Amino acid sequence: GNSVTQMEGPVTLSEEAFLTINCTYTATGYPSLFWYVQYPGEGLQLLLKATKADDKGSNKGFEATYRKETTSFHLEKGSVQVSDSAVYFCALSDPGGRTGGFKTIFGAGTRLFVKA
Amino acid sequence: KAGVTQTPRYLIKTRGQQVTLSCSPISGHRSVSWYQQTPGQGLQFLFEYFSETQRNKGNFPGRFSGRQFSNSRSEMNVSTLELGDSALYLCASRSGLAGSYNEQFFGPGTRLTVL
Repeated sequence: GNSVTQMEGPVTLSEEAFLTINCTYTATGYPSLFWYVQYPGEGLQLLLKATKADDKGSNKGFEATYRKETTSFHLEKGSVQVSDSAVYFCALSDPGGRTGGFKTIFGAGTRLFVKA
Repeated sequence: KAGVTQTPRYLIKTRGQQVTLSCSPISGHRSVSWYQQTPGQGLQFLFEYFSETQRNKGNFPGRFSGRQFSNSRSEMNVSTLELGDSALYLCASRSGLAGSYNEQFFGPGTRLTVL
């Protein structure tokens, strides 16, 4: 079945450091790919998305490129801030086949700590 | 446009009881999905409803059930609660219309604690 694998955390960085969180996926067909962020005590917020190969999603300084050849969707940010401390989830859309249903498959999440 | 709302935000129950959680999707959205989030298992898909019909179901026991009303609001029920059911339950809504984008919008979740 479809699955998402992302790097284990926690990741601890100093403010203004460069961030990379690796994500690879296994899927049949051509899923859409997402990064979600979860701040303490809150639900998930969509950070960015890409719907086809070579698409680059970007938002709030974060970027990720849909790489079909390497089945990857790595998250990057050039200069992190303390306010970026959160848990980041890589995810893909998974159509439900004949039922027409739908679900999102998530990676395990990567906790990011940014120190001032 | 208002976001996805979930009630209640926090619940404390004891083993053996049952619980009902509620979710109101974004206006106009017809698809509602439920997810369970725990530290050990991460985010796991429970089920999806579209136009009052369950279209997709995850690998959870029959104690977990749901329904969707004609106004797209959804409820999730867990019967005979177990300690392991303690989790954050997230609801997500999606347009669900053919040709629409597959982006889901999540609510803040209901934190269920089973004692």
